[in-house]
Amino acid sequence: AQTVTQSQPEMSVQEAETVTLSCTYDTSESDYYLFWYKQPPSRQMILVIRQEAYKQQNATENRFSVNFQKAAKSFSLKISDSQLGDAAMYFCAYTAGGGADGLTFGKGTHLIIQP
Amino acid sequence: DADVTQTPRNRITKTGKRIMLECSQTKGHDRMYWYRQDPGLGLRLIYYSFDVKDINKGEISDGYSVSRQAQAKFSLSLESAIPNQTALYFCATSDPSSRGDAFFGPGTRLTVL
Repeated sequence: AQTVTQSQPEMSVQEAETVTLSCTYDTSESDYYLFWYKQPPSRQMILVIRQEAYKQQNATENRFSVNFQKAAKSFSLKISDSQLGDAAMYFCAYTAGGGADGLTFGKGTHLIIQP
Repeated sequence: DADVTQTPRNRITKTGKRIMLECSQTKGHDRMYWYRQDPGLGLRLIYYSFDVKDINKGEISDGYSVSRQAQAKFSLSLESAIPNQTALYFCATSDPSSRGDAFFGPGTRLTVL
């Protein structure tokens, strides 16, 4: 079975600084997707960024970027120029193939932004 | 209007009661999912469906049942609620063209006393 591990239950960063959230996963599949979701206090699940396993280039969405190390099965999220609105729970997630069988989530990292 | 809606948004019930959580979507997606979120455990898959006749168990289906009434509607039932089913429940949809992306509803906070 696939597993997703987030080893940092909580992280804290100063506003405007850069923070990296860690995620490792385990799978025997060759075709899969990896995601980072954000959950603010409103509890809505918001997709931050997606990485296709077959792509060597790391995904980037504005201030959010990933470091995808396929051989090491590592998928970290870097948030640059942290803003107060980035404070939230962040979940790393995995799905095999086209995503039909649903997502496997890590336990989450609570990100605190210090003003 | 939201693409994926859930009712109720919050519910308090008692041990032994039957409760149904409902999910509706306007995205036209065939795939629908129910997840449960517990503090410190992330989200875990309960059931998922590809159409009204195709229902699949997820990681934690014991104590739950589902019904896919139509492409747009997917309900989760707790036949006899127990306190350890207190959690936040999410419905989600996806589509083969969405590259694995899941579209989540706003969640239902369920408390079983």
